[in-house]
Amino acid sequence: DVKVTQSSRYLVKRTGEKVFLECVQDMDHENMFWYRQDPGLGLRLIYFSYDVKMKEKGDIPEGYSVSREKKERFSLILESASTNQTSMYLCASSGRVTEAFFGQGTRLTVV
Amino acid sequence: AQRVTQPEKLLSVFKGAPVELKCNYSYSGSPELFWYVQYSRQRLQLLLRHISRESIKGFTADLNKGETSFHLKKPFAQEEDSAMYYCALSGMEYGNKLVFGAGTILRVKS
Repeated sequence: DVKVTQSSRYLVKRTGEKVFLECVQDMDHENMFWYRQDPGLGLRLIYFSYDVKMKEKGDIPEGYSVSREKKERFSLILESASTNQTSMYLCASSGRVTEAFFGQGTRLTVV
Repeated sequence: AQRVTQPEKLLSVFKGAPVELKCNYSYSGSPELFWYVQYSRQRLQLLLRHISRESIKGFTADLNKGETSFHLKKPFAQEEDSAMYYCALSGMEYGNKLVFGAGTILRVKS
């Protein structure tokens, strides 16, 4: 079974804090993605990575950065958390010809 | 640019009625289209992809390149079909970037 694991189910952080969301996959997938999921807006792509140390901006990269030092791990970083970054964050991975597999999500609240 | 449009936020039908969830896309090149589903308290998962051309849980979807559509259909809705459905698009022209629509909530009433 493909496993995509996100480090936390729920997080509460203060405005201005630096926040790290971690995602690990165990299927040797090349592609990894970070999305935020908001009601009425669907899944919006923040960043994706197609190889180690490679990254591409998605549709809403402002306020976020990513890191992919190892193939199995893709981290999302909020440099200075703000209340408008309160959301559900989803990580996914896919191979060259496979569909995307998703993590369980991290619900982040910034207060 | 890649874009996926799902015009309906909510679709409510009675059990046994036909279902059609609409999806339109814009893409330059040869896209790959998917439908993903999220049941209550479960993670997002693939329902079907256009290259498979198969029926999953009674659902089918046909890629219409002329109308740039990939509508999801089921002839007889069941209560367990109630979920959030997302249409998604990917393609090599954009480095396999996977883009989703806003989603449609399907509610099947008894």
